[in-house]
Amino acid sequence: GENVEQHPSTLSVQEGDSAVIKCTYSDSASNYFPWYKQELGKGPQLIIDIRSNVGEKKDQRIAVTLNKTAKHFSLHITETQPEDSAVYFCAASKTGGGNKLTFGTGTQLKVEL
Amino acid sequence: DTAVSQTPKYLVTQMGNDKSIKCEQNLGHDTMYWYKQDSKKFLKIMFSYNNKELIINETVPNRFSPKSPDKAHLNLHINSLELGDSAVYFCASSQDSSGAYEQYFGPGTRLTVT
Repeated sequence: GENVEQHPSTLSVQEGDSAVIKCTYSDSASNYFPWYKQELGKGPQLIIDIRSNVGEKKDQRIAVTLNKTAKHFSLHITETQPEDSAVYFCAASKTGGGNKLTFGTGTQLKVEL
Repeated sequence: DTAVSQTPKYLVTQMGNDKSIKCEQNLGHDTMYWYKQDSKKFLKIMFSYNNKELIINETVPNRFSPKSPDKAHLNLHINSLELGDSAVYFCASSQDSSGAYEQYFGPGTRLTVT
């Protein structure tokens, strides 16, 4: 089955700096890669996703890049703000898999003033 | 209006008891899921139903039994609770199971088994 690794497990940045979280996946058939943000005491919320026919996607301060050959994808947050502090999860799934998401182990992002 | 809701939010019970968690979505979605998040925050899918039919059944003890009375509801019943069942359980839904649509998560139910 699919295995998703995520690094780093914790990330501390100064407000205004950029943050990068990286994931690798094992199943070359995976073709959908969402990123979720989980705030304390809440459920995960989708912040951006990318499909395998696209190499990069951007939404304001958030961008995701995908390297299918290397089976890597990354989340980039620019101009970080204190409200970006949360746990971020990457995930992967493939067509025909019943929309089963395999999650990475999460990254605790702390944005310090 | 809450899109995906779960009850209860907190559940504290003793080993050996039987308990249920309820989930409802008002998004008109066909597919619903149960995930377990352990103490290290690792999220893993347990079950998925598409239009009341079980389509994903991961390696989960058979003490866990999902039930979908209609496509807007997916309940999780747990028999003979064990200490290791303590976790946060999340319900989620998506428009269908094709993979073309995002999954929306509920607020979670924190289960503590003592």
